[in-house]
Amino acid sequence: QSALTQPPSASGSPGQSVTISCTGTSSDVAGYNYVSWYQQHPGKAPKLIIYEVSKRPSGVPDRFSGSKSGNTASLTVSGLQAEDEADYYCSSYAGSNNYVFGTGTKVTVL
Amino acid sequence: QVQLQQWGAGLLKPSETLSLTCAVHGGSLSGYYWSWIRQPPGKGLEWIGEINHSVSTNYKPSLKSRVTISADTSKNQFSLKLSSVTAADTAVYYCVRGGVPAAYDYWGQGTLVTVSS
Repeated sequence: QSALTQPPSASGSPGQSVTISCTGTSSDVAGYNYVSWYQQHPGKAPKLIIYEVSKRPSGVPDRFSGSKSGNTASLTVSGLQAEDEADYYCSSYAGSNNYVFGTGTKVTVL
Repeated sequence: QVQLQQWGAGLLKPSETLSLTCAVHGGSLSGYYWSWIRQPPGKGLEWIGEINHSVSTNYKPSLKSRVTISADTSKNQFSLKLSSVTAADTAVYYCVRGGVPAAYDYWGQGTLVTVSS
């Protein structure tokens, strides 16, 4: 049960878009539509921003969107704002009542 | 508004047992899965295990031999025990609520547990 693979870092200027990938296998990302994304600011608990691949919890801006193709899920942050600078983690159901997280991506707003 | 409040010992010696408890305020244990997730300093998140209101449990396979998650429905609390800890278990431990698989919508404040001789 290996961690899902994310790029270590991503960046963009204010107003631009940034897309983060989350690569797994047929046993996790590709096998189920249970991929979530979390935003974590330094010293804080993670915050759920996307669940079931593309659904947003109440209160999460529609600048955040999710998608999936095969064994890779993606999070896109449109109209980057300074407050979007944070670490982002994906998570997937991995079958047999197990769950796996991604390696994490640090997003920098230039 | 659901709030999770967690507590437990923050400094352990190798081979001791980690023990954390999480109280759920503003909601019931019923209908959800309650998990523990940890994050070593400067590293990523790791799912440890979960329990539901009917005390059915699931654990990460690599930790299963050392982990016990239990719930006290009368107190609306759930707990984590991790035995035989080593330095590799040093992490911030979070209690969380899960509904949809892999979607954890409420998090405790986190407890830093340090294992050091």
